Amino acid sequence: DAKTTQPPSMDCAEGRAANLPCNHSTISGNEYVYWYRQIHSQGPQYIIHGLKNNETNEMASLIITEDRKSSTLILPHATLRDTAVYYCIVRVQSNTGKLIFGQGTTLQVKP
Amino acid sequence: DADVTQTPRNRITKTGKRIMLECSQTKGHDRMYWYRQDPGLGLRLIYYSFDVKDINKGEISDGYSVSRQAQAKFSLSLESAIPNQTALYFCATSDAGTANYGYTFGSGTRLTVV
Repeated sequence: DAKTTQPPSMDCAEGRAANLPCNHSTISGNEYVYWYRQIHSQGPQYIIHGLKNNETNEMASLIITEDRKSSTLILPHATLRDTAVYYCIVRVQSNTGKLIFGQGTTLQVKP
Repeated sequence: DADVTQTPRNRITKTGKRIMLECSQTKGHDRMYWYRQDPGLGLRLIYYSFDVKDINKGEISDGYSVSRQAQAKFSLSLESAIPNQTALYFCATSDAGTANYGYTFGSGTRLTVV
């Protein structure tokens, strides 16, 4: 299973872009990178996912390096409600489809 | 109504008691999962099910059992609860039929074993 490495915590000023990095150097060719977030003990919430192209949706953008060994989640205009734990997950390459969660990055958005 | 509903939201039980946590979904997804989360830690997979007749153990299945009563219902049981099973439990679903394996999580059940 591909392992991910994220910084344990980050701060961001309200209104600024939050850039959350993730390393996944052992990712396999057909494994997707997923991002979820968990706001204060609520159920994790899907944000975005990608294979090799950059992706954007109404919540965030996902930038994946050309070698696919790392990625960055970008929240373009962080708000206080974006304070959460952000998980970068590589989907297990098997029929199980199960997500394996690491420790994630605690993002604190400050006024 | 929520897509994935967990009951109860909170529960306190005594050591040795049997307890069941229930999960129901309106997503129409085939796959369902039970995770637990301990304070300050990520989620760990307990059991997962691909359909009514398919049940699989996850990372930490000891002390737990599950039942997939229908496509929409997946229950987690603690046969004899112990204090180190005190945790936040999440149910999740996913759709195996498309390339997007995005998960939908319930709001969680906070279980305390005293």
